[in-house]
Amino acid sequence: AQSVTQLGSHVSVSEGALVLLRCNYSSSVPPYLFWYVQYPNQGLQLLLKYTTGATLVKGINGFEAEFKKSETSFHLTKPSAHMSDAAEYFCAVSVMIYNQGGKLIFGQGTELSVKP
Amino acid sequence: SQTIHQWPATLVQPVGSPLSLECTVEGTSNPNLYWYRQAAGRGLQLLFYSIGIGQISSEVPQNLSASRPQDRQFILSSKKLLLSDSGFYLCAWSVQGTGAEKLFFGSGTQLSVL
Repeated sequence: AQSVTQLGSHVSVSEGALVLLRCNYSSSVPPYLFWYVQYPNQGLQLLLKYTTGATLVKGINGFEAEFKKSETSFHLTKPSAHMSDAAEYFCAVSVMIYNQGGKLIFGQGTELSVKP
Repeated sequence: SQTIHQWPATLVQPVGSPLSLECTVEGTSNPNLYWYRQAAGRGLQLLFYSIGIGQISSEVPQNLSASRPQDRQFILSSKKLLLSDSGFYLCAWSVQGTGAEKLFFGSGTQLSVL
């Protein structure tokens, strides 16, 4: 069964510092992996996704993630944090529904705080 | 363009009262529909998903039920709310396909059961 583990429920960085949010997955089949962001009291927005092909995936707002099969990881990074990046971030893996599409199984989330 | 509407945004209900949360999608047909719950400090938990009218799959045993009376309508219900039903409920939809599709989320309903 597919699952996702996010390491660290809270991460705090200074503005301008590197952001690294960790995600490890478990999957018996080649996974589809996603990162979503949630701002306070809002729904989730897709940051980026990995399906096939290039293992380094670029998303919105300067974020990127690298799929590493050997490490079963899909860590999210951003070279320089901005105050507006403060939010909760969710890693997710897709599980097929009878060839009708995917249901997403989410990690527990990581809350990112950015200090001035 | 497609839009997803979820209401109400905030709800305060007493223990033992019924619940009905509604979600509708516009601008697409035959979407996959989902209900997720986000409890404080516990991440996102998939509650129900539906691949078609009247087709509901439950992910976890619980006090809640879901129905899909129309193609683009998904309803989350309870006959008697429990304190543990409090949380942030999110409806989402996706295009039926390969599993690589993204989910589009509604703005959520904050439910407080007192």
